[in-house]
Amino acid sequence: DQQVKQNSPSLSVQEGRISILNCDYTNSMFDYFLWYKKYPAEGPTFLISISSIKDKNEDGRFTVFLNKSAKHLSLHIVPSQPGDSAVYFCAASAGAGSYQLTFGKGTKLSVIP
Amino acid sequence: SAVISQKPSRDICQRGTSLTIQCQVDSQVTMMFWYRQQPGQSLTLIATANQGSEATYESGFVIDKFPISRPNLTFSTLTVSNMSPEDSSIYLCSVQDRGIYNEQFFGPGTRLTVL
Repeated sequence: DQQVKQNSPSLSVQEGRISILNCDYTNSMFDYFLWYKKYPAEGPTFLISISSIKDKNEDGRFTVFLNKSAKHLSLHIVPSQPGDSAVYFCAASAGAGSYQLTFGKGTKLSVIP
Repeated sequence: SAVISQKPSRDICQRGTSLTIQCQVDSQVTMMFWYRQQPGQSLTLIATANQGSEATYESGFVIDKFPISRPNLTFSTLTVSNMSPEDSSIYLCSVQDRGIYNEQFFGPGTRLTVL
């Protein structure tokens, strides 16, 4: 049973527009969420994270929103750039200092020039 | 963040053989992990590589199939033993420093194809 779900395998967005990637989770114990970006032939790179005590975290063009009641988080990229084209993984962990990350299957974002 | 390298970057192996993957970090780190990403699937944690003691395996993974070594704080190996085509995956090592809450940093991965 998948505890972290990314229901959209792919997403295409025009350059300059907003990209919204979604992630749902089922485990109520998750209290820390991360987004990773992965280019082909490279390992995932950490992008942004959010603790369950917050509902929003922003870092430049990237913002993550957390809706605990809906067990839903989203990553917004504004404005989208062609270099953002990659696979984005949502991950979650439970408990302070927990090393165990549960990943979604990823969403492939294509930003069209 | 730590710089992580893996060897080999890719390999094609025959069924029944074994392959050892190396992971090298440019600084001492507390925690090192091994993940597998099967085609079209999410990253799945295989085990935590413990320095100076036996690795801690996740459910569904066993030491006989995936023996792991961690002789020091900058190096670890994962062996995929008695391979079958189902072992074709990307294998990734990652590291985490206790000072950075839950954020793990990944190596470039080893793409394994078993014929």
